[in-house]
Amino acid sequence: EDQVTQSPEALRLQEGESSSLNCSYTVSGLRGLFWYRQDPGKGPEFLFTLYSAGEEKEKERLKATLTKKESFLHITAPKPEDSATYLCAVSPSGTYKYIFGTGTRLKVLA
Amino acid sequence: NAGVTQTPKFQVLKTGQSMTLQCAQDMNHEYMSWYRQDPGMGLRLIHYSVGAGITDQGEVPNGYNVSRSTTEDFPLRLLSAAPSQTSVYFCASSYSGQSSYEQYFGPGTRLTVT
Repeated sequence: EDQVTQSPEALRLQEGESSSLNCSYTVSGLRGLFWYRQDPGKGPEFLFTLYSAGEEKEKERLKATLTKKESFLHITAPKPEDSATYLCAVSPSGTYKYIFGTGTRLKVLA
Repeated sequence: NAGVTQTPKFQVLKTGQSMTLQCAQDMNHEYMSWYRQDPGMGLRLIHYSVGAGITDQGEVPNGYNVSRSTTEDFPLRLLSAAPSQTSVYFCASSYSGQSSYEQYFGPGTRLTVT
C-alpha cells in the first residue's frame, strides 16, 4: 500500500537553530515527491518537486533532498516567519493520485 | 490571474441537506482535484479529473459527486450531508502529463454539518 509518514509531528526551534524534517514513503514507483507549506486557515503552498533519488532543490533557507525511501526538508537558520505546517506528498507511478503525509508543525521562536 | 478560487468560504448544513462546493481556476490546468483535511488525517483525495468530461475516484469518494464540463470549473456535490463530512475542503489544480506536476490549492471551504 502506498504510504507517506512524516516526522516529527511537531518541532520547536529557536531562531537560527537549523534542523531537518523527514518524509518516509512507500510506493511501487515514484512519479514525483512534493513539499508544501501550509499556514493556519490557508491552502497549502507549493515549495519543491523532486523526481529521482539524489535530486536536491533549494529556496532561501530551505533545501529538499530525496533518496529511494525518504525525503528531508532541511531548514537552515530559521526565522519566526518559517513557522508553519510542512506537508509532504507523493504521486505513485501509473496514477494521477497524490498521497499526503499528516505534516510537521514547525514553530520558530524569536 | 486569480489562481484557484473556492466558494463559499464557510458553510453550515443540517444532516440530509445537499449542496455544491464551487471551484474554478484560470491557469488552463487540465488536472483538478478535491481534498478534505481533518485533524490528524492529513489531506485525503476525494475525486479528481484529468480533463473536461473525465473524472475518477480518490481515496474517500463516498457521499460526494463531481463532474467536469469545462476546463475551468470542478464543482463538488454533497448529496445528503452527514456529520462525518464536517471538514475543510480544498480544491487544487495542476498541469497534467507523463510527469507529475505541483498542485496549486484554493483557500478552502470550512463545512460544518449538524
